Amino acid sequence: QKEVEQDPGPLSVPEGAIVSLNCTYSNSAFQYFMWYRQYSRKGPELLMYTYSSGNKEDGRFTAQVDKSSKYISLFIRDSQPSDSATYLCAMSSGGGADGLTFGKGTHLIIQP
Amino acid sequence: GAVVSQHPSWVICKSGTSVKIECRSLDFQATTMFWYRQFPKQSLMLMATSNEGSKATYEQGVEKDKFLINHASLTLSTLTVTSAHPEDSSFYICSASLGPAWEEQYFGPGTRLTVT
Repeated sequence: QKEVEQDPGPLSVPEGAIVSLNCTYSNSAFQYFMWYRQYSRKGPELLMYTYSSGNKEDGRFTAQVDKSSKYISLFIRDSQPSDSATYLCAMSSGGGADGLTFGKGTHLIIQP
Repeated sequence: GAVVSQHPSWVICKSGTSVKIECRSLDFQATTMFWYRQFPKQSLMLMATSNEGSKATYEQGVEKDKFLINHASLTLSTLTVTSAHPEDSSFYICSASLGPAWEEQYFGPGTRLTVT
């Protein structure tokens, strides 16, 4: 079993829809949970982060962490074609001095 | 925000040769830099953690003699792939840590290596 599982998609939704992206993990030591957006042949760009369990909202994006279920989610409201990208979840057991464990990424396509 | 650059962005080399990839933090000093590798349709896999002035820490399964990492200054880390083979062809991405808070880790644009 891999440490972080993420459905690679592709996930195709119409513009304006609510998008739900998810990851599951097995390592209970993970405390920091992040979502990155990556465009083709580019480095990841940090979107959201959450420490431990809970929700965090930033504009159209909401991140949720359920540590009891080892399940994290990213919701995108009012999706736009410009949101089309690969979304990677990442986790860490420590602070910024530790490397991150990434999911495979979900390829998201927002249809105009 | 903080900017991390990588050079080159794309390189082709022949099997058996070595290739060096540079990672620079342009407007901040990075105490720690990380090197990741990403194969097509796969996740980023941490290869090694590089601290300025000390030896890099490699993840299990990563050959330290094949992937030489040098972090000579607070703004520059280099990854040298020695005696490259076609299976080393991948997307190599570095990140730089501004400080102890995890969000202060910025990713470079990546370097695509193709070994023929």
